[in-house]
Amino acid sequence: QSALTQPPSASGSPGQSVTISCTGSSSDVGGYNYVSWYQQHPGKAPKLMIYEVSKRPSGVPDRFSGSKSGDTASLTVSGLQAEDEADYYCSSYADGNVYVFGTGTQVTVL
Amino acid sequence: EVQLVESGGGAVQPGGSLRLSCEASGFTLSNSWMSWVRQAPGKGLEWVANMQPDGSEKYLESVKGRFTMSRDTAKSSVYLQMNSLRTDDTALYYCVRRAYTAFYTWGQGTMVTVSS
Repeated sequence: QSALTQPPSASGSPGQSVTISCTGSSSDVGGYNYVSWYQQHPGKAPKLMIYEVSKRPSGVPDRFSGSKSGDTASLTVSGLQAEDEADYYCSSYADGNVYVFGTGTQVTVL
Repeated sequence: EVQLVESGGGAVQPGGSLRLSCEASGFTLSNSWMSWVRQAPGKGLEWVANMQPDGSEKYLESVKGRFTMSRDTAKSSVYLQMNSLRTDDTALYYCVRRAYTAFYTWGQGTMVTVSS
């Protein structure tokens, strides 16, 4: 199972929006509505931000939103804040009852 | 409060073995979907293994036959027995509780270093 493809980096100024893509195939992203997104600050464990493509766990700000079209999922962070600077990973359930993560995107708040 | 605490990591030579433990609290282990996810130094996340409430397991292809995930519901713990370790198994190993087919709650991780 190959890793899902994410851009290595993304950036935006405070208050702006940034969108991160996550491209897979019909065997994972395109085949299931089980895409999730994780935020990871340096030295910390990942934190779930979005599950089932677009749902937010309790406590996650509504500045974070998710969507999917075909084999590509996206995470949008609106109203960027300094604390949003982190690495972001997507993940998808895949054929064969396995999971695959994305390559990761480093988000910088300018 | 849901909490996961990993232990058992360390340094081992190639071909060696380690057993990771994950002590769970704040939820019923026997009803839960559990996973191990690893992260090599400076690299991304990689799913390693799953265990479903019925005890069935699933593994990343590259660890199949070498790693075994198990649980002891009486001790509210899950384990990852790692045999025939390779240098590319070097990583921080996270114990994770899954929900809604997502990796919902993460432990802080335990580091495994495979080196001669």
